[in-house]
Amino acid sequence: DVKVTQSSRYLVKRTGEKVFLECVQDMDHENMFWYRQDPGLGLRLIYFSYDVKMKEKGDIPEGYSVSREKKERFSLILESASTNQTSMYLCASSLPAGKETQYFGPGTRLLVL
Amino acid sequence: AQRVTQPEKLLSVFKGAPVELKCNYSYSGSPELFWYVQYSRQRLQLLLRHISRESIKGFTADLNKGETSFHLKKPFAQEEDSAMYYCALILYNQGGKLIFGQGTELSVKP
Repeated sequence: DVKVTQSSRYLVKRTGEKVFLECVQDMDHENMFWYRQDPGLGLRLIYFSYDVKMKEKGDIPEGYSVSREKKERFSLILESASTNQTSMYLCASSLPAGKETQYFGPGTRLLVL
Repeated sequence: AQRVTQPEKLLSVFKGAPVELKCNYSYSGSPELFWYVQYSRQRLQLLLRHISRESIKGFTADLNKGETSFHLKKPFAQEEDSAMYYCALILYNQGGKLIFGQGTELSVKP
């Protein structure tokens, strides 16, 4: 059974803080993704990675960066958190080129005060 | 540009009534589409994909290329179907990226 885990379920941070969201998958998947989920907007892709040390910008990368030093781990970094980054963040992983579905983590609900 | 549109934010039906969640897409190539579901306090999970042509939990979805639609249907809704539903389009030429619609919340009342 594929398992995608995220380091925190809930996180409260202050404006200007540096925030790290961690995601780990145990299925040796090449592809990993970070989305944010907002009511009325659906899921929007922030960044994705198709291999270690590789990254591609998604649709809304501004204000975010990512790191993939190991195949199983994909980190999302908010360099200087702002209130408009308050959201639910979802991590996902999949085999290359979408040969099967993306598997999602439980999400991290981030509140930036 | 690739786009997925779910026109209904909220759909409310009574138990036993038919359900249709609408999804329209814009894509120049040959589309492959999915429906994902998120039950309360659970993670997002795949419900069905059009190439499988299967029925999951009584739900079916047919790809209509002429109308660029992939509507999700169930003849008799159950209370446990209440959830958030997302339609998604996969971009194989971009590493398997998924383009999601805005989501439709289905509420099935007793």
